[in-house]
Amino acid sequence: AQSVTQPDIHITVSEGASLELRCNYSYGATPYLFWYVQSPGQGLQLLLKYFSGDTLVQGIKGFEAEFKRSQSSFNLRKPSVHWSDAAEYFCAVGVSGSARQLTFGSGTQLTVLP
Amino acid sequence: EAGVAQSPRYKIIEKRQSVAFWCNPISGHATLYWYQQILGQGPKLLIQFQNNGVVDDSQLPKDRFSAERLKGVDSTLKIQPAKLEDSAVYLCASSSVGGSGNTIYFGEGSWLTVV
Repeated sequence: AQSVTQPDIHITVSEGASLELRCNYSYGATPYLFWYVQSPGQGLQLLLKYFSGDTLVQGIKGFEAEFKRSQSSFNLRKPSVHWSDAAEYFCAVGVSGSARQLTFGSGTQLTVLP
Repeated sequence: EAGVAQSPRYKIIEKRQSVAFWCNPISGHATLYWYQQILGQGPKLLIQFQNNGVVDDSQLPKDRFSAERLKGVDSTLKIQPAKLEDSAVYLCASSSVGGSGNTIYFGEGSWLTVV
């Protein structure tokens, strides 16, 4: 069965600093990979997704992620963080042919300091 | 385009009581999901519908949870009787077709506290 690990439970960065959130997945074939963001009291909003092709994926709000097959990783990055980026971020994996759709990691809580 | 609608947004009940959550997916979306998100964890799939049929309910605790999507549009998730450990956010989501590659859109969730 597929799984997702987000090693960092909580990350704190200063506004304007760069950001990288880690995500590692476990799956025997090429997965479909997603990053979602959840603000307090809100549902999940899709930031970006990877299906195939270019391993560097651009998303909304200035986020990007890079799929690295050799490392089973799909880390999320942003060059300059804004205070409004404070939220919880979830990495998810979807597998081809599965009815279960998405398996989520446990999330990384991002705090942005002024 | 309207998003996924859920109600109620918040509910507090005593253990052993029952509760029902309602979801209206994005118009035209054939696939509907219910996820459970316990505080500090990622969402976990409870049940997936394709139109009005169940595709996957292997993680639904069937002794207390039930869900239906009778006309292939709205869905209701029911918990009876509720336990303390059922305190969570219940997220409804929808997508246009099945398949792992399609975008899944989430509602804002129904927050349940069982006391």
